[in-house]
Amino acid sequence: GAVVSQHPSRVICKSGTSVKIECRSLDFQATTMFWYRQFPKQSLMLMATSNEGSKATYEQGVEKDKFLINHASLTLSTLTVTSAHPEDSSFYICSASYKTSGGVVGNEQFFGPGTRLTVL
Amino acid sequence: AQSVTQLDSQVPVFEEAPVELRCNYSSSVSVYLFWYVQYPNQGLQLLLKYLSGSTLVKGINGFEAEFNKSQTSFHLRKPSVHISDTAEYFCAVMGNNDMRFGAGTRLTVKP
Repeated sequence: GAVVSQHPSRVICKSGTSVKIECRSLDFQATTMFWYRQFPKQSLMLMATSNEGSKATYEQGVEKDKFLINHASLTLSTLTVTSAHPEDSSFYICSASYKTSGGVVGNEQFFGPGTRLTVL
Repeated sequence: AQSVTQLDSQVPVFEEAPVELRCNYSSSVSVYLFWYVQYPNQGLQLLLKYLSGSTLVKGINGFEAEFNKSQTSFHLRKPSVHISDTAEYFCAVMGNNDMRFGAGTRLTVKP
């Protein structure tokens, strides 16, 4: 259980175009989803946190107008990289957590397999 | 907020030798602790986690970790490593639904 998928797994685009990455929780309702980016040989850095039906909360230094996050349902969140540039090339990983029936936030996050974005 | 320090960026070790990857954390709230492994061009795979209970946690692939609250540590150990254990290892701490990662430790197992 607690499987998270991402699509696409790999995308190459031209500079100036927009790219949408989907993150889905396959067998649970994800009340909170997280987006991370990982540069080569570096750790994961949290970009933003989104709760279903609410606006995403962005980490300091992350441009909310460039990285559009939508969490319209309990199983789907999307990250759109607008007007992508080569410096946006990175590995983007989403994760999801859930609330128990009692409303308690789950005690771990479940990670997707990641999306490799290359901007030419 | 919480933070994680992985004390070694690289750990080279010979096959069948024991290994310890060190992780220290700081937090003002109760936390949950995790170790993940990442192979090249892949996502994260959960090795083990400490949520509560016994401080010695056993995970997959023969790894284990011990939660030490007084030393705020969660070191990862394996008694005998294989070539296939070569990968990047991340320690993570989660508190208040906020997960933070260490910088990672590159484990290289040599024949």
